Amino acid sequence: SQQGEEDPQALSIQEGENATMNCSYKTSINNLQWYRQNSGRGLVHLILIRSNEREKHSGRLRVTLDTSKKSSSLLITASRAADTASYFCATYPSGSARQLTFGSGTQLTVLP
Amino acid sequence: GAVVSQHPSRVICKSGTSVKIECRSLDFQATTMFWYRQFPKQSLMLMATSNEGSKATYEQGVEKDKFLINHASLTLSTLTVTSAHPEDSSFYICSATDLIYGYTFGSGTRLTVV
Repeated sequence: SQQGEEDPQALSIQEGENATMNCSYKTSINNLQWYRQNSGRGLVHLILIRSNEREKHSGRLRVTLDTSKKSSSLLITASRAADTASYFCATYPSGSARQLTFGSGTQLTVLP
Repeated sequence: GAVVSQHPSRVICKSGTSVKIECRSLDFQATTMFWYRQFPKQSLMLMATSNEGSKATYEQGVEKDKFLINHASLTLSTLTVTSAHPEDSSFYICSATDLIYGYTFGSGTRLTVV
């Protein structure tokens, strides 16, 4: 079952702009992860943020986590056409078996 | 880094036949493997959790007699779609996990049942 929702469902921006995607979840978590999926391909792990962290950076990626609101955001700065893909958040709930649950995903299109 | 090989990447089969999908962890031992199903433009839905040497745990609504999972070794899990029908056409993705690498996903298998 899906843990939560992502918004927007689809986002279209121009190259060079920033893209922000949001993820909400329902249960307590141990960590939250963001993945990228190119069309018809497997998933690529982007970044993991633990429940006791509030913000994390990796290159052009910035992730925030607000456990009180059960939400996270992924910011991609200075976007490139190659960033076009679907982005999913996935939560690792507290106390469970090692089972990731995925959000509904955001389809990002970066126009050259 | 960790690599998970999933094979085949694409398969087309006739209705009523069975299809086996393999998921191998190439450079690490995966104590747990997961199988997901993804319909077009949708998210990944967990089908089952597979632990080496034991029976898989299926999610609610997933028919265990239709989707047979075998996890015979720490590096190999297989998903067999038995008596496939067109509604089973989907993208199937496996994931392997261990304490060092976390989750690593295979590249997926596109199943088309005609």
